[in-house]
Amino acid sequence: AIQLTQSPSSLSASVGDRVTITCRASQGIGSGLAWYQQKPGKAPNLLIYDASSLETGVPSRFSGSGSGTDFTLTISSLQPEDFGTYYCQQFNGYPTFGQGTRLEIK
Amino acid sequence: EVRLVESGGNLVQPGGSLRLSCAASEFTFSRYWMSWVRQAPGKGPEWVASINQDGSKTYYVDSVKGRITISRDNAKNSLFLQMNSLRAEDTAVYHCARHMIAASGTLFDYWGQGTLVTVSS
Repeated sequence: AIQLTQSPSSLSASVGDRVTITCRASQGIGSGLAWYQQKPGKAPNLLIYDASSLETGVPSRFSGSGSGTDFTLTISSLQPEDFGTYYCQQFNGYPTFGQGTRLEIK
Repeated sequence: EVRLVESGGNLVQPGGSLRLSCAASEFTFSRYWMSWVRQAPGKGPEWVASINQDGSKTYYVDSVKGRITISRDNAKNSLFLQMNSLRAEDTAVYHCARHMIAASGTLFDYWGQGTLVTVSS
């Protein structure tokens, strides 16, 4: 199975900061990567698919980039409601997820 | 808005069985692939099983093959997961999720909040 490794595993940032989370795949997956945000006790919420396509209704401060094995999720100007855990997921074959990045607002 | 509501989670002893259900509403259930995705405490999600629109194709993660069966009833807009020979490592919140077809493949665009399965003696 394709493994996804996210970094960092956690981070703390201030409102207005630019935040970047990376996801590395154990083998090339083209653009078959999605990003989700999950808040405690809630279901994951789709943010980005096809590595860089913004899901309808997701704020434009979220963006994704990358292809092959290296991907990034960027939040251009962090807002208080952006706290939570972020997961990448590949869908080039059986779906697998990264271990998550916990984002805390300072 | 799309709604997925799971039920059936419980505390069960190792070796026991459980049947999870997912009630779907506000979309045409019979047109979509569906999956179960689980999340162990403090861990990332793990895909468990998928089923196509008419139930004729099913896929499973290796760790559950032979123990877990996914099924659906399109007349009742419902998805099921029959879990047998349960192990401690099956302990997780189980989410049902709707598939979305993207340019690079399929992913999950809507998830339910999940139902907790605890396997312990």
